[in-house]
Amino acid sequence: AQTVTQSQPEMSVQEAETVTLSCTYDTSESDYYLFWYKQPPSRQMILVIRQEAYKQQNATENRFSVNFQKAAKSFSLKISDSQLGDAAMYFCAYLKDAGGTSYGKLTFGQGTILTVHP
Amino acid sequence: DAGVIQSPRHEVTEMGQEVTLRCKPISGHDYLFWYRQTMMRGLELLIYFNNNVPIDDSGMPEDRFSAKMPNASFSTLKIQPSEPRDSAVYFCASSRRDSNTGELFFGEGSRLTVL
Repeated sequence: AQTVTQSQPEMSVQEAETVTLSCTYDTSESDYYLFWYKQPPSRQMILVIRQEAYKQQNATENRFSVNFQKAAKSFSLKISDSQLGDAAMYFCAYLKDAGGTSYGKLTFGQGTILTVHP
Repeated sequence: DAGVIQSPRHEVTEMGQEVTLRCKPISGHDYLFWYRQTMMRGLELLIYFNNNVPIDDSGMPEDRFSAKMPNASFSTLKIQPSEPRDSAVYFCASSRRDSNTGELFFGEGSRLTVL
């Protein structure tokens, strides 16, 4: 079974600084998707960024970027120019593929609480 | 476009009572998921539907849990009878298969407390 591990229960960063959240996963599949979701105090899970395993180029969304190392099964999230609104729980998630019976069956990591200091 | 809508947002009930959580997915989405979030177990998939048909309910903890999707715009998750260990946040999420992104859109969750 696939597993997703986030080894950092908590992280903190100063406003305007950069922080990197770690994620590793275990799979025998070659095609899959990886996601970072943000869960603010409002509880709603919001997609931050996604990466297709077949793409070598790391995904980027404004201040958010990933370092995807397929061979190492590592998928870290870098937040640049951190803002107070970035404070939240961040979840790394794995999806076996976007089709078939496993569609949508995300496997989540344990989460990392990010605190942003002004 | 409205997002996934869940109700109630908070529910406090006593052990043994029936609990019904409701979800309205995003219009046009053909997949609907129910997840449970607890401190101990994190986020777990309970069940999911495709075109209103349950596809995989292997995550449903026991027979006290049931879920239905009578039409494309409504789903319920029912717990009967409820127990204190059912206390959690229950999320509904929906997605559109032909988007090919794998992205799920989550509701704000229903926080259930069973006393």
